[in-house]
Amino acid sequence: GAGVSQSPSNKVTEKGKDVELRCDPISGHTALYWYRQSLGQGLEFLIYFQGNSAPDKSGLPSDRFSAERTGGSVSTLTIQRTQQEDSAVYLCASSHNYNEQFFGPGTRLTVL
Amino acid sequence: AQKITQTQPGMFVQEKEAVTLDCTYDTSDPSYGLFWYKQPSSGEMIFLIYQGSYDQQNATEGRYSLNFQKARKSANLVISASQLGDSAMYFCAMREDAGNNRKLIWGLGTSLAVNP
Repeated sequence: GAGVSQSPSNKVTEKGKDVELRCDPISGHTALYWYRQSLGQGLEFLIYFQGNSAPDKSGLPSDRFSAERTGGSVSTLTIQRTQQEDSAVYLCASSHNYNEQFFGPGTRLTVL
Repeated sequence: AQKITQTQPGMFVQEKEAVTLDCTYDTSDPSYGLFWYKQPSSGEMIFLIYQGSYDQQNATEGRYSLNFQKARKSANLVISASQLGDSAMYFCAMREDAGNNRKLIWGLGTSLAVNP
Protein backbone atom coordinates (compact mmCIF):
# COMPACT_ATOMS: atom_id res chain seq x y z
CA GLY A 1 0.00 0.00 0.00
CA ALA A 2 0.94 3.65 -0.27
CA GLY A 3 3.15 5.17 2.37
CA VAL A 4 2.95 8.61 3.93
CA SER A 5 3.07 11.32 1.28
CA GLN A 6 3.92 14.97 1.69
CA SER A 7 3.65 17.92 -0.61
CA PRO A 8 5.33 19.93 -1.83
CA SER A 9 8.69 18.19 -1.65
CA ASN A 10 10.44 21.55 -1.80
CA LYS A 11 9.18 25.02 -1.04
CA VAL A 12 11.09 28.26 -1.42
CA THR A 13 9.36 31.33 -0.09
CA GLU A 14 10.12 34.90 0.82
CA LYS A 15 10.28 36.08 4.39
CA GLY A 16 6.88 37.21 5.57
CA LYS A 17 4.84 34.97 3.28
CA ASP A 18 2.52 32.23 4.50
CA VAL A 19 3.08 28.59 3.55
CA GLU A 20 0.98 25.44 3.75
CA LEU A 21 2.51 21.98 3.98
CA ARG A 22 0.39 18.92 3.37
CA CYS A 23 0.60 15.40 4.77
CA ASP A 24 -1.38 12.39 3.58
CA PRO A 25 -0.98 9.57 6.12
CA ILE A 26 -1.23 5.85 5.57
CA SER A 27 -4.87 4.86 5.23
CA GLY A 28 -6.31 3.73 8.54
CA HIS A 29 -3.63 5.32 10.70
CA THR A 30 -5.38 7.33 13.38
CA ALA A 31 -2.28 9.06 14.76
CA LEU A 32 -0.43 11.73 12.81
CA TYR A 33 2.68 13.64 13.85
CA TRP A 34 4.57 16.66 12.58
CA TYR A 35 8.28 17.07 13.25
CA ARG A 36 10.89 19.56 12.12
CA GLN A 37 14.51 18.76 11.32
CA SER A 38 16.98 21.58 11.01
CA LEU A 39 20.24 21.05 9.17
CA GLY A 40 22.41 18.51 10.97
CA GLN A 41 20.00 18.15 13.87
CA GLY A 42 17.67 15.54 15.26
CA LEU A 43 13.96 15.83 14.96
CA GLU A 44 11.93 18.36 16.92
CA PHE A 45 8.34 17.43 17.76
CA LEU A 46 5.73 19.97 16.68
CA ILE A 47 2.22 18.53 17.06
CA TYR A 48 0.36 15.23 17.31
CA PHE A 49 -3.15 14.38 16.11
CA GLN A 50 -5.38 11.57 17.28
CA GLY A 51 -8.15 11.51 14.72
CA ASN A 52 -9.01 15.15 14.06
CA SER A 53 -8.08 16.44 17.49
CA ALA A 54 -4.64 17.55 18.65
CA PRO A 55 -4.00 16.37 22.21
CA ASP A 56 -0.44 17.67 22.11
CA LYS A 57 0.52 20.94 20.47
CA SER A 58 3.38 21.57 22.85
CA GLY A 59 6.07 21.63 20.17
CA LEU A 60 4.66 24.42 18.01
CA PRO A 61 7.37 27.11 18.29
CA SER A 62 5.12 30.15 18.04
CA ASP A 63 1.59 31.24 17.26
CA ARG A 64 2.65 31.62 13.63
CA PHE A 65 2.46 27.84 13.41
CA SER A 66 -0.86 26.00 13.23
CA ALA A 67 -2.07 22.66 11.98
CA GLU A 68 -5.33 20.96 11.29
CA ARG A 69 -6.50 17.54 10.29
CA THR A 70 -9.76 16.81 8.54
CA GLY A 71 -11.67 13.58 8.12
CA GLY A 72 -9.10 11.78 10.23
CA SER A 73 -6.82 11.78 7.25
CA VAL A 74 -5.01 14.66 5.52
CA SER A 75 -3.24 17.22 7.68
CA THR A 76 -2.04 20.71 6.82
CA LEU A 77 0.70 22.57 8.68
CA THR A 78 0.51 26.32 8.15
CA ILE A 79 3.29 28.76 8.89
CA GLN A 80 2.29 32.41 8.77
CA ARG A 81 4.66 35.28 8.19
CA THR A 82 7.60 32.95 7.63
CA GLN A 83 10.99 33.79 9.08
CA GLN A 84 14.42 32.58 7.99
CA GLU A 85 14.71 30.45 11.12
CA ASP A 86 11.69 28.46 9.90
CA SER A 87 13.89 26.96 7.16
CA ALA A 88 14.05 23.22 7.81
CA VAL A 89 12.74 19.89 6.62
CA TYR A 90 9.22 19.31 7.89
CA LEU A 91 8.48 15.63 8.40
CA CYS A 92 5.11 14.00 8.87
CA ALA A 93 4.58 10.54 10.33
CA SER A 94 1.58 8.34 10.99
CA SER A 95 1.01 5.28 13.14
CA HIS A 96 -1.71 2.88 14.19
CA ASN A 97 -0.19 1.33 17.30
CA TYR A 98 1.76 4.16 18.93
CA ASN A 99 4.95 2.23 18.46
CA GLU A 100 6.31 2.38 14.94
CA GLN A 101 5.85 5.74 13.27
CA PHE A 102 6.00 5.70 9.48
CA PHE A 103 7.55 8.81 8.02
CA GLY A 104 6.92 10.67 4.81
CA PRO A 105 9.72 12.01 2.60
CA GLY A 106 9.46 15.49 4.10
CA THR A 107 9.05 19.00 2.76
CA ARG A 108 12.20 21.07 2.54
CA LEU A 109 11.26 24.67 3.34
CA THR A 110 13.65 27.49 2.48
CA VAL A 111 12.78 30.99 3.59
CA LEU A 112 14.79 33.65 1.77
CA ALA B 1 19.00 18.25 30.40
CA GLN B 2 19.16 16.10 27.29
CA LYS B 3 16.63 13.32 27.39
CA ILE B 4 18.38 11.33 24.65
CA THR B 5 22.14 11.40 24.31
CA GLN B 6 24.07 9.97 21.40
CA THR B 7 27.73 10.57 22.18
CA GLN B 8 29.18 9.44 18.85
CA PRO B 9 28.75 12.10 16.15
CA GLY B 10 30.48 9.83 13.65
CA MET B 11 31.48 6.19 13.43
CA PHE B 12 33.40 4.09 10.94
CA VAL B 13 33.12 0.35 10.51
CA GLN B 14 34.61 -2.12 8.09
CA GLU B 15 32.17 -3.99 5.87
CA LYS B 16 31.02 -7.31 7.40
CA GLU B 17 32.01 -6.27 10.92
CA ALA B 18 29.63 -5.49 13.77
CA VAL B 19 29.18 -1.98 15.15
CA THR B 20 27.52 -0.59 18.26
CA LEU B 21 25.88 2.82 18.28
CA ASP B 22 25.43 4.29 21.74
CA CYS B 23 22.28 5.82 23.19
CA THR B 24 21.54 6.83 26.75
CA TYR B 25 18.26 8.25 27.94
CA ASP B 26 16.86 10.09 30.91
CA THR B 27 13.35 9.62 32.21
CA SER B 28 11.53 9.16 35.50
CA ASP B 29 8.54 7.60 33.75
CA PRO B 30 8.38 3.83 34.51
CA SER B 31 6.72 3.16 31.16
CA TYR B 32 8.48 4.25 28.00
CA GLY B 33 9.54 3.04 24.58
CA LEU B 34 12.87 3.30 22.83
CA PHE B 35 13.31 3.47 19.06
CA TRP B 36 16.06 3.48 16.50
CA TYR B 37 15.62 5.03 13.08
CA LYS B 38 17.93 5.16 10.06
CA GLN B 39 18.11 8.20 7.80
CA PRO B 40 20.07 7.66 4.56
CA SER B 41 21.33 10.57 2.52
CA SER B 42 18.05 10.50 0.58
CA GLY B 43 16.35 11.84 3.70
CA GLU B 44 13.63 9.35 4.49
CA MET B 45 13.35 8.18 8.11
CA ILE B 46 13.27 4.40 8.35
CA PHE B 47 12.14 2.56 11.48
CA LEU B 48 14.59 -0.12 12.60
CA ILE B 49 13.72 -1.45 16.04
CA TYR B 50 11.61 -0.85 19.16
CA GLN B 51 12.11 -1.75 22.83
CA GLY B 52 9.46 -1.28 25.49
CA SER B 53 10.58 -0.53 29.03
CA TYR B 54 8.80 -3.61 30.37
CA ASP B 55 10.08 -5.98 27.70
CA GLN B 56 12.08 -8.74 29.32
CA GLN B 57 14.19 -9.56 26.30
CA ASN B 58 16.29 -7.38 24.07
CA ALA B 59 14.62 -6.58 20.78
CA THR B 60 16.03 -8.03 17.58
CA GLU B 61 15.13 -7.39 13.93
CA GLY B 62 17.29 -9.21 11.44
CA ARG B 63 20.82 -7.75 11.66
CA TYR B 64 19.69 -5.16 14.21
CA SER B 65 19.55 -5.77 17.93
CA LEU B 66 18.99 -3.41 20.81
CA ASN B 67 21.20 -3.86 23.86
CA PHE B 68 18.79 -2.63 26.54
CA GLN B 69 20.38 -2.00 29.94
CA LYS B 70 17.59 -0.51 32.01
CA ALA B 71 19.61 0.22 35.15
CA ARG B 72 22.17 2.11 33.09
CA LYS B 73 19.44 3.77 31.00
CA SER B 74 21.14 2.74 27.83
CA ALA B 75 19.70 1.41 24.59
CA ASN B 76 22.57 0.76 22.24
CA LEU B 77 21.95 -0.40 18.68
CA VAL B 78 24.07 -3.27 17.42
CA ILE B 79 24.35 -3.81 13.68
CA SER B 80 25.88 -7.15 12.79
CA ALA B 81 27.65 -7.93 9.52
CA SER B 82 27.69 -4.31 8.30
CA GLN B 83 26.85 -3.63 4.68
CA LEU B 84 27.72 -0.65 2.51
CA GLY B 85 24.04 0.25 2.47
CA ASP B 86 24.12 0.73 6.23
CA SER B 87 25.98 4.02 5.76
CA ALA B 88 23.51 6.60 7.07
CA MET B 89 22.54 8.73 10.06
CA TYR B 90 21.10 6.74 12.96
CA PHE B 91 18.76 8.32 15.48
CA CYS B 92 17.73 7.06 18.89
CA ALA B 93 14.34 8.25 20.17
CA MET B 94 12.18 7.81 23.25
CA ARG B 95 8.47 7.97 23.96
CA GLU B 96 7.43 8.59 27.57
CA ASP B 97 4.03 7.04 28.19
CA ALA B 98 2.79 9.20 31.08
CA GLY B 99 -0.36 11.14 30.29
CA ASN B 100 -0.93 9.21 27.06
CA ASN B 101 2.01 11.02 25.53
CA ARG B 102 2.72 9.94 22.00
CA LYS B 103 5.52 12.22 20.79
CA LEU B 104 9.06 10.99 20.28
CA ILE B 105 12.06 12.79 21.74
CA TRP B 106 15.13 12.44 19.53
CA GLY B 107 18.87 12.35 19.92
CA LEU B 108 21.15 14.29 17.60
CA GLY B 109 22.15 11.18 15.70
CA THR B 110 25.27 9.24 14.80
CA SER B 111 26.66 9.24 11.29
CA LEU B 112 27.81 5.74 10.33
CA ALA B 113 30.17 5.13 7.43
CA VAL B 114 30.75 1.55 6.29
CA ASN B 115 34.07 1.11 4.54
CA PRO B 116 34.55 -1.54 1.82
